[in-house]
Amino acid sequence: EVQLVESGGGLIQPGGSLRLSCAASGFTVSSNYMSWVRQAPGKGLEWVSVFYTGGGTYYADSVKGRFTISRDNSKNTLYLQMNSLRAEDTAVYYCAREWGKAWGQGTLVTVSS
Amino acid sequence: DIQMTQSPSTLSASVGDRVTITCRASQSVSIWLAWYQQKPGKAPNLLISKASSLESGVPSRFSGSGSGTEFTLTISSLQPDDFATYYCQQYNSYWTFGQGTKVEIK
Repeated sequence: EVQLVESGGGLIQPGGSLRLSCAASGFTVSSNYMSWVRQAPGKGLEWVSVFYTGGGTYYADSVKGRFTISRDNSKNTLYLQMNSLRAEDTAVYYCAREWGKAWGQGTLVTVSS
Repeated sequence: DIQMTQSPSTLSASVGDRVTITCRASQSVSIWLAWYQQKPGKAPNLLISKASSLESGVPSRFSGSGSGTEFTLTISSLQPDDFATYYCQQYNSYWTFGQGTKVEIK
């Protein structure tokens, strides 16, 4: 069974850093393109970043230069390193497989002093 | 960047109604268009991919059509479980989501 489980969210002060993890089971992360999507409270879905099978990585303009997507093939896990966090980064962060055929349950990141 | 414009933003309907949601892309996305259903506190659930391919397990009352820049999601007979928010998503060039359509009980 395909499963994605995010972790690492929490309350963090503005300017702080956080690393999110997305542990996959039932498929191989390195054989699929993987994305992060976020949803601010009461708002719509916003694409954040993608990691292609060939190793290419891309980011939304809103997080470029602050967030870094990576993967650990040995752990079958996707990561999102988030630096210089801002209040507007507060959201539930989801990881997703391919064009969205599987999603995790999400992890909440709250940026507040 | 490709922009997705979804309409309406809110839709009031009754059980049994036929419901149509429209999504327009700012440039052609070919058939690389998906539709999701999302309920409060839950992750989005993929209903349709490649504009018109129904995902396994999704009821046949859901259908999608279109290509290029104009797409529609139709629910042929609205059921109580269908009251939710629906999003379109292009995946031709990275991803972009529509702003969502909340389907409410009339």
